[in-house]
Amino acid sequence: NAGVMQNPRHLVRRRGQEARLRCSPMKGHSHVYWYRQLPEEGLKFMVYLQKENIIDESGMPKERFSAEFPKEGPSILRIQQVVRGDSAAYFCASSPSGSSTDTQYFGPGTRLTVL
Amino acid sequence: EDQVTQSPEALRLQEGESSSLNCSYTVSGLRGLFWYRQDPGKGPEFLFTLYSAGEEKEKERLKATLTKKESFLHITAPKPEDSATYLCAVQAADSSASKIIFGSGTRLSIRP
Repeated sequence: NAGVMQNPRHLVRRRGQEARLRCSPMKGHSHVYWYRQLPEEGLKFMVYLQKENIIDESGMPKERFSAEFPKEGPSILRIQQVVRGDSAAYFCASSPSGSSTDTQYFGPGTRLTVL
Repeated sequence: EDQVTQSPEALRLQEGESSSLNCSYTVSGLRGLFWYRQDPGKGPEFLFTLYSAGEEKEKERLKATLTKKESFLHITAPKPEDSATYLCAVQAADSSASKIIFGSGTRLSIRP
């Protein structure tokens, strides 16, 4: 059973460009979570999605960031007009449901570098 | 505000030297406490979930315990391959989103 997959693993963008990060959850999982990890800091929750629905985006910056989880295909975290402060590791996690007893399983992350 | 604090920030041990990592939490109501291991350049790897005070779970050289205010990750006779950052996270009872709040982690280094 394949784990959570993320691509690309490394992404380099210049200031002002767009970054698209993709996440395919574990087989049988329909809930996806995105986290950001800044250097020397802990993981910070960004957004929680089910298929075609954003459930909680309380951790998302108000501008330039968006996320989707379409009916078909991976979840996408999109960052428009990137700035140097967006440089971080972005992790996706998935769970089979949104139950409080569910474990979230993490992918390997996408490391975004903004030049 | 819900908060998770881990100590120490870093811990260096000799191979075979047992110790404990601490995770203190402040939440309005605890739904679950999680321990993860993270190796450099990789995503967090799930270790344990604890739900209520007094609960304990074990896996190889690791044992996690939970009280009403904190959790400990005990490591017995560690080996160099146990070197990693150990992350503690909590899910609050009033969290409607299944989001979890992470501590900053303890970087554990085991010298051969």
